[in-house]
Formats: sequence, structure tokens, C-alpha cells
Amino acid sequence: AQRVTQPEKLLSVFKGAPVELKCNYSYSGSPELFWYVQYSRQRLQLLLRHISRESIKGFTADLNKGETSFHLKKPFAQEEDSAMYYCALSGNTDKLIFGTGTRLQVFP
Amino acid sequence: DTGVSQDPRHKITKRGQNVTFRCDPISEHNRLYWYRQTLGQGPEFLTYFQNEAQLEKSRLLSDRFSAERPKGSFSTLEIQRTEQGDSAMYLCASSLSDLGYTFGSGTRLTVV
Repeated sequence: AQRVTQPEKLLSVFKGAPVELKCNYSYSGSPELFWYVQYSRQRLQLLLRHISRESIKGFTADLNKGETSFHLKKPFAQEEDSAMYYCALSGNTDKLIFGTGTRLQVFP
Repeated sequence: DTGVSQDPRHKITKRGQNVTFRCDPISEHNRLYWYRQTLGQGPEFLTYFQNEAQLEKSRLLSDRFSAERPKGSFSTLEIQRTEQGDSAMYLCASSLSDLGYTFGSGTRLTVV
């Protein structure tokens, strides 16, 4: 079965602390993995995708096929990073399967 | 307008009524998707179109739900005989091939 698991509903850190939002997936094949972000009162938007291997707003994510994980990391959190983060995968069709999301709170 | 537009933003309806939502994708995007999101959950796939062809439908899309995309431009999602369990945020997204989705702001449906 195709599934995305985000074990933490809420992650709270202080500004400047490192952040890691966990994402594990289940898929029998080679999926494409994404992180989407939703800031307060804004629409859901793409943060990054594993095939791009980019760093967006200081965030990176590495696909670990052995551990079936795609954790999102940032070395120094900023207050403006506070948002809802969703991990998602797509397989051999175009649809996305989302996790339940993790709310990141960054305190000053 | 360079974004995905959804109308209405909010809809309150009585149980048993029919509702219709509209989505206007980014004009050059050939793919259009509908998702549903309930409180505490991530978006769940409902259906998607490539141009005017509906290519996939989720089992979540019961026979009370129908979606269309005439002429491959805007899309409508209709729910007939609404139930309280249909209360959710309905999200539309569009994309050009596999370049990633652009989401709309959603239509929040409340069935009373």
C-alpha cells in the first residue's frame, strides 16, 4: 500500500535551533517525494522535491531509499518558518499521496 | 491572474442539498486535480484530468460526486445529496506535465 507517515503532529523549537521534520513512506517502486508547506492563511505550496536536489529557504531533504525516508532539515530555524509541512509522494501516476502534516512552531 | 482560482471560498449548505464548486487553473496547465482535506489530515486525492479527459478517480469519490472539465479549461466538482461527512476543504490544483502542482485556496464546505 502507498502511504506517507509523518509521526509528529507538532514540532516546537526556538529560533536558531536545528529542525528535522520526519517523513517515512511506503511504496513498491521508485516514488517521487515532495515537501509542501502551508503558511498561516496562505495556500499550500511546493517547498522542494527530491529530484531537484535543491535547498529552498535553507531547507534540504535527502531521499533515503534504504530507510524509506525523506526527512526535511534546516540547520537554523527562523520564526518565519512556522507553518504546516506536508510530505507527499507520487508513484507511476500523477496523483500525490500526502502525510497528515507536521506543524512547526519556531519561538523567538 | 497567474494563480489557481476556486469559487466559492466558503459554502454552507443543508444536508441533502446539491452543491457545485468551480476551479479555474493556470491557463497553460493541462492537468487539473481535486483533493479533499478534513481537519487534522493531509489532502486526499479525489480525481484528476489531463485536458478534458478524467484519467483517475479515487474510491473516495462516491456516486454522489461528479467532476467535469469541459474543453480542458475550468473544472466543476458537484456533490449531490450532501451529507455531514462531506464537510471538508476541497482543494483544486493544476500542473503542466510533471512540474509540480499549484494549489488554489480551496472551497470550505460545511453541511449542516
